[in-house]
Amino acid sequence: EADIYQTPRYLVIGTGKKITLECSQTMGHDKMYWYQQDPGMELHLIHYSYGVNSTEKGDLSSESTVSRIRTEHFPLTLESARPSHTSQYLCASSGRDRVAMNTEAFFGQGTRLTVV
Amino acid sequence: AQKVTQAQTEISVVEKEDVTLDCVYETRDTTYYLFWYKQPPSGELVFLIRRNSFDEQNEISGRYSWNFQKSTSSFNFTITASQVVDSAVYFCALILATDKLIFGTGTRLQVFP
Repeated sequence: EADIYQTPRYLVIGTGKKITLECSQTMGHDKMYWYQQDPGMELHLIHYSYGVNSTEKGDLSSESTVSRIRTEHFPLTLESARPSHTSQYLCASSGRDRVAMNTEAFFGQGTRLTVV
Repeated sequence: AQKVTQAQTEISVVEKEDVTLDCVYETRDTTYYLFWYKQPPSGELVFLIRRNSFDEQNEISGRYSWNFQKSTSSFNFTITASQVVDSAVYFCALILATDKLIFGTGTRLQVFP
């Protein structure tokens, strides 16, 4: 069973507030990802990391920022939330198995963010 | 650049029909990995299968089967005797040995009783 956790599961917040979405994994995976997804729609990669102190922007431009100070932790921050940020945010991690092959990505349960 | 194409946006079938979901990928790398995920209405992503570029063997798992063909850069997914519980959005994904994970746009499968 995957050991990747996202908090909160649901968040309703007012416009202009600063928020941080938490993501932690206990599998020691080097790669971590943040995706933004509207229900049932395409997954858009917004940030990814290859390891500690490594962060890259994804294909979808996002006003959010991320940090990777520890291997297991990859939080996403919105400095000033807006209604356009309303979406589901999915965190994932992947690593290597015993024969150094890429594992699949393990996903958290997601955070459904609503900005009012 | 890498890319995953799922040309079928939505498929509707009646229970017990077989259905194939198409996935075509693009990459210049010789080492890569392909995946299929299922996303039911509850929203979580459920991993179904991983295939690396050196393993072209087809795989069958119960009612699910996968056909990986490097010659056509395709990794198609077939559900035999579909059931209502198979209704979900299915995503194909690609990762290179040292790059980010890229998803196709997904195919919504609706299975009617």
